Amino acid sequence: DTGVSQDPRHKITKRGQNVTFRCDPISEHNRLYWYRQTLGQGPEFLTYFQNEAQLEKSRLLSDRFSAERPKGSFSTLEIQRTEQGDSAMYLCASTTSHVTEAFFGQGTRLTVV
Amino acid sequence: DQQVKQNSPSLSVQEGRISILNCDYTNSMFDYFLWYKKYPAEGPTFLISISSIKDKNEDGRFTVFLNKSAKHLSLHIVPSQPGDSAVYFCAARGNAGNNRKLIWGLGTSLAVNP
Repeated sequence: DTGVSQDPRHKITKRGQNVTFRCDPISEHNRLYWYRQTLGQGPEFLTYFQNEAQLEKSRLLSDRFSAERPKGSFSTLEIQRTEQGDSAMYLCASTTSHVTEAFFGQGTRLTVV
Repeated sequence: DQQVKQNSPSLSVQEGRISILNCDYTNSMFDYFLWYKKYPAEGPTFLISISSIKDKNEDGRFTVFLNKSAKHLSLHIVPSQPGDSAVYFCAARGNAGNNRKLIWGLGTSLAVNP
C-alpha cells in the first residue's frame, strides 16, 4: 500500500451533470476525511468517516453532495447537478487514532464548465 | 472567521539562508499543530507537527516553535534549498470531540532562490 489513492485525478464536466469521486485510504486507517480546496484558500473540511459511519458533515456540504464509505474501506463523494462554484480540488485524507498526522491523496481536480 | 491565520501569502529567501513561516490561531482547544507542504496539482504532504504541550519540535532542517500564550507558531527551515519552494500550510487539529479534523490557514508560498 503506497498511500491514499484518489480517482480520477482530473474531471471536467458540464454544469448540471453528476460526478463521483473515489478515495482509497491507507489500509488499516479507520478515519477518512474529505476536504475541498479552491485557489488561494486552504483546504476546507467537508465530511468525516470513522469506519463506515459518517460522523460529521460540514454545512458547506449542500444537499447535492453525498459521501459514503460502505465497508469502512474506500469512500465515494458524489456531487449531483454540478454548478460552476463546485470547481475545486477535492482532497481525501486518512489516519488512525494512533497517528498525529493525516495522509492526503493527490486530489481530484474538478472543473465545471 | 479564520481560526488559523497565515498572514504572509508569500516569502522569498536565498538558498542556504533560513526560512521562517508564521502562523497564528485563535482556538485554545487545538491539541496538535501541523505543517504541510503542497506542490501545485498535488495533495498536501506532511512535514512536521507539534503537540500543544510542547514548545519546540525538530526534524532535520525543519523546526517548529509554539508559543501558546501568544497563540503563535512558526516553522524554521535551515538551510533553505530550492526544492523547498512550495506552498506551506499551517493546520491545527481539533480534539477528539471535534473529530480531530484539521483547520487550515491560507498558506504561504515559499520561493527559495539559487
